[in-house]
Amino acid sequence: KAGVTQTPRYLIKTRGQQVTLSCSPISGHRSVSWYQQTPGQGLQFLFEYFSETQRNKGNFPGRFSGRQFSNSRSEMNVSTLELGDSALYLCASSRGSQETQYFGPGTRLLVL
Amino acid sequence: ILNVEQSPQSLHVQEGDSTNFTCSFPSSNFYALHWYRWETAKSPEALFVMTLNGDEKKKGRISATLNTKEGYSYLYIKGSQPEDSATYLCAFKPVSGSRLTFGEGTQLTVNP
Repeated sequence: KAGVTQTPRYLIKTRGQQVTLSCSPISGHRSVSWYQQTPGQGLQFLFEYFSETQRNKGNFPGRFSGRQFSNSRSEMNVSTLELGDSALYLCASSRGSQETQYFGPGTRLLVL
Repeated sequence: ILNVEQSPQSLHVQEGDSTNFTCSFPSSNFYALHWYRWETAKSPEALFVMTLNGDEKKKGRISATLNTKEGYSYLYIKGSQPEDSATYLCAFKPVSGSRLTFGEGTQLTVNP
C-alpha cells in the first residue's frame, strides 16, 4: 500500500506570495491533519479534515487555510507569505480521527 | 494550552548502551499517548499508541510504559544501535478533540 505523499517536496517563494501544498493520504484513510515544524519548535498542529470537513484548527492566522476533496486528498494554502512561514509542513493521514496518524515526507518551504 | 514535555532534549550514547527518555503530559482528559521515531530526511514513523494506564508495549528492542494518573510515559531502548539514532516524539491526544499535541522530542545519537 502506498504511503502518504506530499507535493512539492521543496519550494522557494518570496514574501507576499501565496503557496498551495498537496497531500495524498493512504488509500482508505479519511482523516488528514497538517502540521508545521520550524527550527527549535515541535510539530505545531494546523488543522484536521475528515470527509471534506474541517474538524479542528490550531492557533494559526487566517492566512493558513485548507480543504479536502471527495477522494480525501487535501491541500493547504498560505496567502501573503511571511519570512516566518519558512518551515517543514507535514501532513498525516489516518482511518479515523482517533486512530494512528501516518506521516508523509513533508514539504520544505523557504520564504525569501 | 496543553503542555507535553520531553526530556532530555538530546542524548548521546555508545552502541550497546540501554537508554530511556520521558514524556510528560496532562493527566486529565486523556485519550491516548503516541510515540513516533523521526529519522533525518524521513517521515515520522509510528512506534506505539498507548491508551490504558499501566500499558506496556514492545517492538523489538524498544519498549514503552504509560502512567496516565501521573501523566508520564517512558520509552526504553535496550542495547542501542547506530540505526536507532533519531528524534523520538511523543504526542498527547485528549478525549475531547482529535488533534495531537507533540512534545519537542528527544534527539538520540548512538555512537558506534
